[in-house]
This record gives sequence, C-alpha cells and structure tokens, in this order.
Amino acid sequence: DGGITQSPKYLFRKEGQNVTLSCEQNLNHDAMYWYRQDPGQGLRLIYYSQIVNDFQKGDIAEGYSVSREKKESFPLTVTSAQKNPTAFYLCASRTDKGSPLHFGNGTRLTVT
Amino acid sequence: GESVGLHLPTLSVQEGDNSIINCAYSNSASDYFIWYKQESGKGPQFIIDIRSNMDKRQGQRVTVLLNKTVKHLSLQIAATQPGDSAVYFCAENRGTSYGKLTFGQGTILTVHP
Repeated sequence: DGGITQSPKYLFRKEGQNVTLSCEQNLNHDAMYWYRQDPGQGLRLIYYSQIVNDFQKGDIAEGYSVSREKKESFPLTVTSAQKNPTAFYLCASRTDKGSPLHFGNGTRLTVT
Repeated sequence: GESVGLHLPTLSVQEGDNSIINCAYSNSASDYFIWYKQESGKGPQFIIDIRSNMDKRQGQRVTVLLNKTVKHLSLQIAATQPGDSAVYFCAENRGTSYGKLTFGQGTILTVHP
C-alpha cells in the first residue's frame, strides 16, 4: 500500500537537545511538507520541498531544519533554538499544487 | 489579513441527521479548496476537493459547495454516522505556489447515536 510513514509516533526529549523526525513516502510524490499542529489552532507550515535538494521556509521555520536528499524522504530536525517545540508534527506530500495533500499519522513530540 | 476560518467550532448532531460544516475564506485568488477529516491522534484524511470553476461537487455521502461571491465553502454530510465524529478542516490553495495551502482552525463534529 502506498502512503506516508512518520516515525516514531511519540518522542520525548530534554530541553536543549536536537531531535529528528522521520518522514518517508512511497507515493512517488514530488512535493513534501512539514506542518505543526497545536491545540485549537490550524495546521501551520514549517517547511516544504518541491523537488529533491530544494526546500522552502514556511510560516514558522525558525528553530527547524530539513533536508531532501531523496525523493522519498524529508526529515525534520527540531533544534534547541525552537522556543516551544512540544507539538504534533505532520508530514504530507502531494503530486502537484492542484492536488490534495496526503498526510502521515504524525509524531507527537514532548520536550521537557 | 488573508485567512481561512470556520464559523462554528463545534457541531453536535444525531445519527442519521445531515451535517453542514461551514468555512469562510478571504483570498479571492484562491482557486482550489479541500476538506479534511481528522480523528484523534491521526493525520488529516482527504475527504473531497473543489476547484474555483465549480460550485458544487459530490462524493459518497458528502457534498462540497463553493460560493465565490461571498467567499464561503461548506461541507455537507448526509445521514451522519457515529464514525463521522472527528475534526473537519477546510483548506485553500492559491494555486501559484506549492506552499500556499492555508488551513482553517477546524470544527469538531460529534454524532450522537
């Protein structure tokens, strides 16, 4: 079955540590995205990538970094510079800008 | 500013009733709209989409209506079932950029048996 796999489902880290969230897709989609979801708020775009080796900042990129070395993979690193990293992180992909996003089932990150 | 928002944060219905979830958008340049369903602890699931050259689109038990005059989008769910209980999001895409997909805050739909 085609889909987007995010791992792990739950992640716990101490403040000051960097952490990397994994996102893999086998849908052969060109574009991949990272969103952050907080209670009572809509999804906010962190970074997106239209093609391999290229990515763009979204609305809340500060404190985050990404890479896109392979079409299937788009890992997100939450750095110690992110002031409020505890959130639900969603990865998504799509074929082109006129098609819907397909989402993974998210990673819930808790930083204490 | 530009935004996508929902009129009602919560909606409670009885099983078998029809549900209507509303969404307002402010950017007249948006040309593609999507509805998603999100269950607790899961990622959003695509329900239905509509392009700006259409007023209505139907799927299985769902209908999306687009009123460009008043910048309003709605999702109608027929014969609502307990399994439909979830948070529903609308999203708009401005079509000029891969990154310009904006989500509303969501409406919580609760279906009572």
